Amino acid sequence: SQQGEEDPQALSIQEGENATMNCSYKTSINNLQWYRQNSGRGLVHLILIRSNEREKHSGRLRVTLDTSKKSSSLLITASRAADTASYFCATASGGHKFYFGSGTKLNVKP
Amino acid sequence: DGGITQSPKYLFRKEGQNVTLSCEQNLNHDAMYWYRQDPGQGLRLIYYSQIVNDFQKGDIAEGYSVSREKKESFPLTVTSAQKNPTAFYLCASSIFLAGSRNEQYFGPGTRLTVT
Repeated sequence: SQQGEEDPQALSIQEGENATMNCSYKTSINNLQWYRQNSGRGLVHLILIRSNEREKHSGRLRVTLDTSKKSSSLLITASRAADTASYFCATASGGHKFYFGSGTKLNVKP
Repeated sequence: DGGITQSPKYLFRKEGQNVTLSCEQNLNHDAMYWYRQDPGQGLRLIYYSQIVNDFQKGDIAEGYSVSREKKESFPLTVTSAQKNPTAFYLCASSIFLAGSRNEQYFGPGTRLTVT
């Protein structure tokens, strides 16, 4: 299985701190995406990074991709209480499926 | 207002009954997907469809069935053969299938409880 796995499973930080979560996967990919899920809701796409890219920014989000290590990281800077959610990485390898990890549950304390 | 709708938000059924979950999108997306999410876990793919009247099994298709008679609609039936149907079900769509440029848009989910 090429399913991504996030690390840590849970993360608790104070508002204003940075949050970093990691994703590892097993096979070659076309792209890797990060999604956010608020409790009991659907997922929302945050950012996509292609296999030939190393870093990408979107607002307070920074994603890195290291294809040699088959890993990615998501950094949320200056976190807010509203960032409290679960974050998932998803990989796509050119087939017709996305593979989601089990997620990192982020709690940002006000 | 474009998006994906799923109904109902909560669904309760007795064991042994089939139940159909609705998924509609007005994003003009070709591809649609059904996922299952269990507490504290990631998403597992049940079925996906690239085009009208065509669909493919995902990783956990046993006990489920789908149809794709219209581009906008991709209903999922949870049959009595599904041994553990209680879960949160998410529908998604995308412009292209998994490839170099695509993201998935998700509906709000249906929480199914079977007793």
